[in-house]
Amino acid sequence: GENVEQHPSTLSVQEGDSAVIKCTYSDSASNYFPWYKQELGKGPQLIIDIRSNVGEKKDQRIAVTLNKTAKHFSLHITETQPEDSAVYFCAASKGYSTLTFGKGTMLLVSP
Amino acid sequence: KAGVTQTPRYLIKTRGQQVTLSCSPISGHRSVSWYQQTPGQGLQFLFEYFSETQRNKGNFPGRFSGRQFSNSRSEMNVSTLELGDSALYLCASSSGQGAFGELFFGEGSRLTVL
Repeated sequence: GENVEQHPSTLSVQEGDSAVIKCTYSDSASNYFPWYKQELGKGPQLIIDIRSNVGEKKDQRIAVTLNKTAKHFSLHITETQPEDSAVYFCAASKGYSTLTFGKGTMLLVSP
Repeated sequence: KAGVTQTPRYLIKTRGQQVTLSCSPISGHRSVSWYQQTPGQGLQFLFEYFSETQRNKGNFPGRFSGRQFSNSRSEMNVSTLELGDSALYLCASSSGQGAFGELFFGEGSRLTVL
């Protein structure tokens, strides 16, 4: 089955810095790669996603890049703010709500 | 628009007992999926229901089961509880139309098995 590796497990940055989280996947048939943010006591919330026919996608301060050949994808957050502090999960899917998640990255943004 | 509602939010059971968790999806959503979240294993897919039919199933033992009703509400059941079943159980709904779509998660039901 699919296996998703996520690094780093924790990431501490200063407010205004950039943060990068990287994931690799094993199943070349996966073609949908969402990123979820989970705040304490809440369920995960989608922040951005990318499909296999796209190499990069941006949404304001957030961007995701995908390298299908190398089977890795990354989340980039620029100009980080304290409210960005949360656990971030990458995932890979072949469709139909069946997501394989990475183990998560705890991001801490210090003022 | 109301979000995904899960009940109960917290529950404590003892080994050998069974538990039923409930999930009400966002109005209009026909797909409901369930995930188990633990510190060691992270988020793991249990199963997905669409229009009352199980469409996908993860690698969990048969003690874990689910169903979906005609109003799209879903329940999952865990029988013969083990200590390792202690986890946050998350329900997510989506429109179910097409192969890809945003999952909207509830806040989860936290199960503790003693």
